[in-house]
Amino acid sequence: QVQLQESGPGLVKPSETLSLTCSVSGASVSLQFWSWIRQTPGKGLEWMGYFYHTGITNYNPSLKGRLTISGGTSGNQFSLTLTSVTAADTALYYCARHGGSGWPPYYFDLWGQGSPVTVSS
Amino acid sequence: DIQMTQSPSTLSASVGDTVTITCRASQSISTWLAWYQQKPGKAPKLLIYDASTLQSGVPSRFSGSGSGTEFTLTVSTLQPDDFATYYCQQYNTYFYSFGQGTKVEIK
Repeated sequence: QVQLQESGPGLVKPSETLSLTCSVSGASVSLQFWSWIRQTPGKGLEWMGYFYHTGITNYNPSLKGRLTISGGTSGNQFSLTLTSVTAADTALYYCARHGGSGWPPYYFDLWGQGSPVTVSS
Repeated sequence: DIQMTQSPSTLSASVGDTVTITCRASQSISTWLAWYQQKPGKAPKLLIYDASTLQSGVPSRFSGSGSGTEFTLTVSTLQPDDFATYYCQQYNTYFYSFGQGTKVEIK
């Protein structure tokens, strides 16, 4: 059974950097595309970017160069780094797997449980 | 950017009803559309992809149709477990976008 688990700090100060990790079990990070998606009451679900283990990435232009998604430092993981955070980055952050095998990557067939992040001093 | 607009925002229904949710894209997306169900405190769950293909394990009372710019999700014979929020999502381009959601609540 494939499972995704997000981890990271629940609280980040304004202007600092948010780092989250998604740990994958039951599947290899090397075989699929993976994305980060966040959810807020105001903006709903917002796709942030995707990653493939060869280094292919694609980011939401709205994140204006603040976002990096990369392979994890250990094990079957991938990570999100978001710089210069503001209160607008307060959200529930999900990692998700892309289903299918087409290009560009398709829908999201598996999601983590979500990691809440608050940006506040 | 492709904007996805769902209607209605909220839908009141009873167990046993058939409900239909509409999703409109701001430009043609062929059939590159998925539907998700989200319950409070849980992650979205994939129901349908490619506009009408049922994800494995999803009950057959869920169905999807449409192409181009207009799509529908139909839930036949609504069950207590189906009261949730539903989202559409397009994957026609390299930039993915979601509808704002439709909450199906108990009448």
